[in-house]
Amino acid sequence: QVQLQESGPGLVKPSETLSLTCTVSGGSISSYYWSWIRQPPGKGLEWVGYIYYSGSTNYNPSLKSRVTISVDTSKTQFSLKLSSVTAADTAVYYCARLYDGSGSVLDYWGQGTLVTVSS
Amino acid sequence: DIQMTQSPSSVSASVGDRVTITCRASQGIGSWLAWYQQKPGKAPKLLIYAASSLQSGVPSRFSGSGSGTDFTLTISSLQPEDFATYYCQQANSFPLTFGGGTKVEIK
Repeated sequence: QVQLQESGPGLVKPSETLSLTCTVSGGSISSYYWSWIRQPPGKGLEWVGYIYYSGSTNYNPSLKSRVTISVDTSKTQFSLKLSSVTAADTAVYYCARLYDGSGSVLDYWGQGTLVTVSS
Repeated sequence: DIQMTQSPSSVSASVGDRVTITCRASQGIGSWLAWYQQKPGKAPKLLIYAASSLQSGVPSRFSGSGSGTDFTLTISSLQPEDFATYYCQQANSFPLTFGGGTKVEIK
């Protein structure tokens, strides 16, 4: 059973960079796409981007200028960096496996981690 | 981007009721639609993919239908554990986009 676990600071100051890591266990990180999704408190879901295990990426155009997703296959981890954050970036951030077999669906999710942007 | 519109935004129902949620895409997406269930404080859970295929382990009272731009999620007999928020997601093209959610509440 694939399991994902997010980790990183829960509080980030405005204008700084949000950094999160997702550790994958119970399965291989290879041959799959891995994604980040966020959800502001009380609101809906927003797809942030994905990375393939080989390193290719695709980002949401609404965040593209500020987002970097990277992967470390040796550690079975992938990471998110979001620069120049504002209060609007306050959200629960989820990592998930993106299964590309029947359309692009998110079949395994981490529990999520709340990141608050505040001074 | 493909816009996803869900209706209703909330529905009140009783245990045993049949509940139907609709999702409309701003352009045709074939059958590339997924449905998720989210309970408070938890991550979303994949219920249905490719519009009508049930994810492993999901009870058969959940079903999905539709193609093109109009889709439905049906819960045939609502159970206590089904009270949650449901999201549709277009799985056709990037960026992936979600509907605004439908909260199923206890009547």
